[in-house]
Amino acid sequence: AQRVTQPEKLLSVFKGAPVELKCNYSYSGSPELFWYVQYSRQRLQLLLRHISRESIKGFTADLNKGETSFHLKKPFAQEEDSAMYYCAPHNNNDMRFGAGTRLTVKP
Amino acid sequence: EPEVTQTPSHQVTQMGQEVILRCVPISNHLYFYWYRQILGQKVEFLVSFYNNEISEKSEIFDDQFSVERPDGSNFTLKIRSTKLEDSAMYFCASSDPGGYQPQHFGDGTRLSIL
Repeated sequence: AQRVTQPEKLLSVFKGAPVELKCNYSYSGSPELFWYVQYSRQRLQLLLRHISRESIKGFTADLNKGETSFHLKKPFAQEEDSAMYYCAPHNNNDMRFGAGTRLTVKP
Repeated sequence: EPEVTQTPSHQVTQMGQEVILRCVPISNHLYFYWYRQILGQKVEFLVSFYNNEISEKSEIFDDQFSVERPDGSNFTLKIRSTKLEDSAMYFCASSDPGGYQPQHFGDGTRLSIL
């Protein structure tokens, strides 16, 4: 069965500290990996995807196929990064979300 | 920038009634999706739709649910004989063709079953 695990429901860091949001997945085939973000009172939106290998708003994510992980990282968190983050493997037309991690960046 | 729009933003319905949630995907997108988020829980995939038919559906999407693209712009989710546990936020999304494209989400419809 397809499974996505984000072990931390809540994560709180101080501004300027590094942050890592964990994601592990168990998926058939070779899914494409995405991170979506939902800021307060805004819609879900794409943050980044593995295939692009981009850094968006200072975030990067490394795919580790051996560990089936796709952890999201940022070296220096900012207060505006406070949001709900969802890891989402996508296989064919089936995309499953993790439970989400609520990141709070304190001043 | 084009957006996915959903109406209504909030729907209140008596238990047992039918409800139709409406979505207007981004105009050149060809893949359409519905998701559900029960309060305090994660976003759950319901169904994907391409070329006028369902391409994938989850175990949640049973005979109570149906989707339709009645015209060239709307994409609807119908829930028959609603139950209290259908109360949730329902999100529509659409994506470009071409495999593993990111999905663009609407603001959601909050469905409250009384």
